[in-house]
Amino acid sequence: AQRVTQPEKLLSVFKGAPVELKCNYSYSGSPELFWYVQYSRQRLQLLLRHISRESIKGFTADLNKGETSFHLKKPFAQEEDSAMYYCALGSGNTGKLIFGQGTTLQVKP
Amino acid sequence: DAGVTQSPTHLIKTRGQHVTLRCSPISGHKSVSWYQQVLGQGPQFIFQYYEKEERGRGNFPDRFSARQFPNYSSELNVNALLLGDSALYLCASSLELLRQGYTGELFFGEGSRLTVL
Repeated sequence: AQRVTQPEKLLSVFKGAPVELKCNYSYSGSPELFWYVQYSRQRLQLLLRHISRESIKGFTADLNKGETSFHLKKPFAQEEDSAMYYCALGSGNTGKLIFGQGTTLQVKP
Repeated sequence: DAGVTQSPTHLIKTRGQHVTLRCSPISGHKSVSWYQQVLGQGPQFIFQYYEKEERGRGNFPDRFSARQFPNYSSELNVNALLLGDSALYLCASSLELLRQGYTGELFFGEGSRLTVL
């Protein structure tokens, strides 16, 4: 079954601390993975995609096929990073994105 | 550009009624997708439409239907509403059809919050 698991509902860190939001997936084909973010009172928006191997707002994510993971990392958290983060898996040719349950990141001053 | 726009933003219906939700994609975007987001969960895929044709369907009953118009706007219809249909319904648009190997961005609207009493 195709599935995305984000084990933490809430992750709370202090400003300047490292952040790692966990994402594990289950998919039999070649996975296409994304991180979407929703800031307070804003729309859900794309943060980054694995195929681009990019760093956005200091965040990076590496696809680990052996561990079927796509964890989101940032070395030094900022207060403006506080948001809901969703990991998503692209599923075949239907255009379907399978989202995890989301992790709320709370960065305390 | 205002981005993806959805209407209405909030609505309340009773069980058994019918609802129509509307979505206007970003100008130039040909694909529209619909997602249901129940409180505390991630969005769940309902449909993808591209060039007025259904190109993907999630695991939802036939009470859910949608269509896309020549101007690429879209409607989501839900018949015989159940209490469990209460959710935020998100519309998203993309330039092209989302498919394997195309990792284009989905642009989401603010959603239509449906409450079924």
